[in-house]
Amino acid sequence: AQSVTQLDSQVPVFEEAPVELRCNYSSSVSVYLFWYVQYPNQGLQLLLKYLSGSTLVKGINGFEAEFNKSQTSFHLRKPSVHISDTAEYFCAVNAPSGGTYKYIFGTGTRLKVLA
Amino acid sequence: GAVVSQHPSWVICKSGTSVKIECRSLDFQATTMFWYRQFPKQSLMLMATSNEGSKATYEQGVEKDKFLINHASLTLSTLTVTSAHPEDSSFYICSAPIAGGLETQYFGPGTRLLVL
Repeated sequence: AQSVTQLDSQVPVFEEAPVELRCNYSSSVSVYLFWYVQYPNQGLQLLLKYLSGSTLVKGINGFEAEFNKSQTSFHLRKPSVHISDTAEYFCAVNAPSGGTYKYIFGTGTRLKVLA
Repeated sequence: GAVVSQHPSWVICKSGTSVKIECRSLDFQATTMFWYRQFPKQSLMLMATSNEGSKATYEQGVEKDKFLINHASLTLSTLTVTSAHPEDSSFYICSAPIAGGLETQYFGPGTRLLVL
């Protein structure tokens, strides 16, 4: 079975400071890894994904993440955050299951960018 | 990118009534769609997999008679919450993968259900 752990439930950071949101996963099979962002009362928007190839993945809004197989991590980073980055961020793994793929989400990290 | 819509975005109903939520893939066909439930300040929990032309597959602990799913066409799946109760109040989100790209899903904007 797969699982996703986001250790930080909340991360406050000042505007223009760097930020890292941590994600660790557990799986006995190869998985695909994703980061999604959710603004209040909205659905999920894909930030970036790792399917294969380069372990450093760049996404939208200046975010990037690095897949580390040995540490089973997929931490999300941004060198300089903006107020508009305040949102909930979900890490997810997607693994084959019964002929399709199923997502398992982490519990989410609330990023609060302070002025 | 692919677009998934949901209707309605908000619904308030009385306890005991049934509520139907639609999920549509607007610019692609989806033989499979997924329904999630999200409680306040919590993560998304997969409820069921909706399959076009066949029965939905429910996750453990999800009552299939309570949450009826119908995948009527390649672009439409509906979730009906039957005899809704206040504990069914939640944020319901659907998603769909593009055929040939099962590893990536596109999410709808969600439907907030409040049962009084």
